[in-house]
This record gives sequence, C-alpha cells and structure tokens, in this order.
Amino acid sequence: AQTVTQSQPEMSVQEAETVTLSCTYDTSESDYYLFWYKQPPSRQMILVIRQEAYKQQNATENRFSVNFQKAAKSFSLKISDSQLGDAAMYFCAYNLNTGNQFYFGTGTSLTVIP
Amino acid sequence: NAGVTQTPKFQVLKTGQSMTLQCAQDMNHEYMSWYRQDPGMGLRLIHYSVGAGITDQGEVPNGYNVSRSTTEDFPLRLLSAAPSQTSVYFCASSYFGSNTEAFFGQGTRLTVV
Repeated sequence: AQTVTQSQPEMSVQEAETVTLSCTYDTSESDYYLFWYKQPPSRQMILVIRQEAYKQQNATENRFSVNFQKAAKSFSLKISDSQLGDAAMYFCAYNLNTGNQFYFGTGTSLTVIP
Repeated sequence: NAGVTQTPKFQVLKTGQSMTLQCAQDMNHEYMSWYRQDPGMGLRLIHYSVGAGITDQGEVPNGYNVSRSTTEDFPLRLLSAAPSQTSVYFCASSYFGSNTEAFFGQGTRLTVV
C-alpha cells in the first residue's frame, strides 16, 4: 500500500522564525517525485516545492527547502523567515513514475504568530 | 489563464438526490482526477482519467461515476447522495508524467442532509 504520514496535525511558528514540517512515506518503487502543497483558507491547492527521488540534492524554492532522506523515506519541509501568508494547511504527496496518481498525507495546519 | 474550473463552489443536497460536479481545464492536460478531502484524512482519489474515453477507479470510487468524452471535461456524478459523501471535492489535471505539477480547481464544498 502507498502511504504518506504527516505526524504533526498542527504546528505554530513565530513570524520570521523557522519551522520544519515532517513527512514520511512508504513505497516499494524506486522512481517517484515528492511534493509539498499549500492550502490556504481559500481552499486553493498551491504547489510549494517538488523533489525528484533520484536526485540527492535537496530542492529549494526561496524560503522553502526540503530535507530528503531517501533511505529513511523522509521528506520534511523547512520554511525560513516565516510570514503571515505562510499560514495554511500543508500536504505532503508523492507521485509514482508509473502513473499520475498522487498519494497525499493528512496535512499539517501551520499557524504563524505575529 | 483559466486553468482548472470547477463548479459549483458550494452545494447542499438531500439524501438520495443526484448531481454532477463539473470540471474543465484549458491546458490540454491528458490526466484528470477527482479527490475528496475530509478532516484528518487528507485528499483521497475517487476516479481518474488518462485521456478521453479512458477512466479508472481510485481509492474511494463507490457512489461516484465519471466519464471523459473530451480532453477538457471530466464531470463527477453522484448517483444517489448520502451523508457520508459530505466533503470537499477537488478536480485536478496534469500532463502525464510523475514529475508534473497537478493543477487543482478551487474545490466544491458539498453537504448532504
């Protein structure tokens, strides 16, 4: 079974500080992509960052970076210099190279404290 | 750019009623899918399509029907609504390939009473 686990249902961070959201996944496949999506109160799903499983280098997008540990099947998201607009639900997901099905975690609700 | 257009945004149904959630994309994506989002359960795949005329079941297909007559449209039909189908529904589309970003509609909040 393909599963994604986000063990932190809720997290909070002070504005301008750094926060890390954790994600683990389970797949027997070796070729896949990993994603973090953000869902603000508007409900819109927005891609934050993606990581190719065969690349060892961690992906970075401005203030967002990942710590990808393939052997541990771990894919955490680090948000630096947190801003009020970062407050949202964050979903970890992966997509196998055999198809386009996304497997999502249960989400982490991030609160940013002014 | 319209992207993925999903209608309606909100809907209330009575148990036993049927309805169709509409989804259209203008990006010529081959792959389209429907998810439902429930508290504490993330997004779960209902049905998906890899191209016009081809559909398949996802993780939670019971009570839903889909068709894909064109590349652009992928409607989701609730055959006989049940309270357990109260959820937020998302349509998504992407090019075929695991590295591609999925583009989502704005969701439909459906309440079945």
